[in-house]
Amino acid sequence: DVKVTQSSRYLVKRTGEKVFLECVQDMDHENMFWYRQDPGLGLRLIYFSYDVKMKEKGDIPEGYSVSREKKERFSLILESASTNQTSMYLCASSPHRGTENTEAFFGQGTRLTVV
Amino acid sequence: QQQVKQSPQSLIVQKGGISIINCAYENTAFDYFPWYQQFPGKGPALLIAIRPDVSEKKEGRFTISFNKSAKQFSLHIMDSQPGDSATYFCAASNRAGTALIFGKGTTLSVSS
Repeated sequence: DVKVTQSSRYLVKRTGEKVFLECVQDMDHENMFWYRQDPGLGLRLIYFSYDVKMKEKGDIPEGYSVSREKKERFSLILESASTNQTSMYLCASSPHRGTENTEAFFGQGTRLTVV
Repeated sequence: QQQVKQSPQSLIVQKGGISIINCAYENTAFDYFPWYQQFPGKGPALLIAIRPDVSEKKEGRFTISFNKSAKQFSLHIMDSQPGDSATYFCAASNRAGTALIFGKGTTLSVSS
């Protein structure tokens, strides 16, 4: 059974804290993604990675950074958490571009509250 | 600029009815159009997907209709059931396996 695991289901952090959201996939996928989900706004792409140590900005990268030191792990970092980063964060992975199997698999999400 | 526009935002359908959700896109380079289903407390999961070389794809009660010239695609749920109550997202990408661009989602409620 394929799996994308996010380290926390719920997090509460204080404004200004540095926050790490961890994601691990067991499918040997090359591609990994971080989205945030807000009511009425859908899923918005923050950052993605096609390979180890590689990263590309998505549509809303401001205030975030990422790290991919190993193929199976993709971390999202909030350098200095702010209340407008309160959201549901979703990690996903998919096989390498160009393959037939293009399904993206999502984790269950981390609901982050910044107070 | 919103690359994938989805409507309606919410939808209420009677049990046994047909649910229809529509999406429109701008980027003609998109070549992969999936629909994702999300239940409360869960991450989205792939429901059905289509490529632009076909106009329709059916899997059980779920059908995608695709109109390349109009740059539109839609999800039809036949014989809608209360268990179909969920949020549905359309998406698009321009190469297999690349980052998906999502619509804003449709909350479907199927009343019994």
